[in-house]
Amino acid sequence: RKEVEQDPGPFNVPEGATVAFNCTYSNSASQSFFWYRQDCRKEPKLLMSVYSSGNEDGRFTAQLNRASQYISLLIRDSKLSDSATYLCVVKSGGYQKVTFGTGTKLQVIP
Amino acid sequence: GAGVSQSPSNKVTEKGKDVELRCDPISGHTALYWYRQSLGQGLEFLIYFQGNSAPDKSGLPSDRFSAERTGGSVSTLTIQRTQQEDSAVYLCASSLSPGQGAYEQYFGPGTRLTVT
Repeated sequence: RKEVEQDPGPFNVPEGATVAFNCTYSNSASQSFFWYRQDCRKEPKLLMSVYSSGNEDGRFTAQLNRASQYISLLIRDSKLSDSATYLCVVKSGGYQKVTFGTGTKLQVIP
Repeated sequence: GAGVSQSPSNKVTEKGKDVELRCDPISGHTALYWYRQSLGQGLEFLIYFQGNSAPDKSGLPSDRFSAERTGGSVSTLTIQRTQQEDSAVYLCASSLSPGQGAYEQYFGPGTRLTVT
């Protein structure tokens, strides 16, 4: 089983739709979780951290479910500019080695 | 301020040649990572440096790959006797140390390596 798994998509959604992605992780001792965004042929950039209590940043909501070992990202009112690949990142252990998921591709269509 | 920089941005080399890829992290960032990303694929961890500690080399795919970080700053990834399957974008990232609280990894623009 991969350490971090994501549905590769693509998710094709119309503008204004709500879309959600899940990411599962295998190491129950994982400590920190993040969502990164990667535009086509660009480097990844941090979108948001994922906190145990869940957190929201504008149209984006991240949730952590430790019991089922997954994190989720919800995007409301999708914009064309949200089209990108969303990478799930999990940090385990006492230092900063992290594992990136392979990403979920989102395409918002007009 | 200056972000993570990488050079060259593109490198085309013949199979069997050695290549060196350079990464300049953000000043003050003690953690430095190398990843590679093949077309349409996710990020593959290669190596991690943290301060003066021994690097975590667990992601290096073969002994043809090596990396150094001199003076806790600039890093060089070397690939010897390149093979066509080495073709990918090589990404470098840096971050503050865990003790400094923040974690975000800042990525450079990458070096696109093509082995012909």
